[in-house]
Amino acid sequence: AQSVTQLGSHVSVSEGALVLLRCNYSSSVPPYLFWYVQYPNQGLQLLLKYTTGATLVKGINGFEAEFKKSETSFHLTKPSAHMSDAAEYFCAVSPPYSGGGADGLTFGKGTHLIIQP
Amino acid sequence: GAGVSQSPSNKVTEKGKDVELRCDPISGHTALYWYRQSLGQGLEFLIYFQGNSAPDKSGLPSDRFSAERTGGSVSTLTIQRTQQEDSAVYLCASSRRGFTDTQYFGPGTRLTVL
Repeated sequence: AQSVTQLGSHVSVSEGALVLLRCNYSSSVPPYLFWYVQYPNQGLQLLLKYTTGATLVKGINGFEAEFKKSETSFHLTKPSAHMSDAAEYFCAVSPPYSGGGADGLTFGKGTHLIIQP
Repeated sequence: GAGVSQSPSNKVTEKGKDVELRCDPISGHTALYWYRQSLGQGLEFLIYFQGNSAPDKSGLPSDRFSAERTGGSVSTLTIQRTQQEDSAVYLCASSRRGFTDTQYFGPGTRLTVL
């Protein structure tokens, strides 16, 4: 079984400061990893994903994440926060294979990012 | 092109009634997923369709929930004898081939059971 832990249900940063949202996973095999963003009253939008290859992944809106197998982590960062980054962020995993009822994404509980002016 | 669409956007129903939620995936996407987003449980995977293949229903929360996909395209999630704990936002997503491809989410249907 897979699980995802997002540390901090709420994270507050100042505009222009570094954004760091933490995600750790538990899986019997290295999973595929995703970060999604949900703006108020909108659907989920993919920020970035890791499947194989380079462990540092760049996504949209200046976000990036690094897969660290030894730490079972996939933290999301952005060098300089913007007011428009205020949203709910979800880390998710999927197994690199199909079957066993595990074909959907397993999501973390989400982190609400607050940007202070 | 058009994204994933869901209808209705909001549904208010009385306890014990049946409801049907509809999802139109992105054209050409063979994989379709249903999720539920609620305050208490976060985002939960419900069911996954790959083309016309029979889905694995083990993620559905109870036997009151069922889903079908006609012609490998449109999907309907049906909840029978709704309960208050069914109140949530039901999200549909589709991907080009399988679950490891990027999933594109619809805006969701907000279900309120009174």
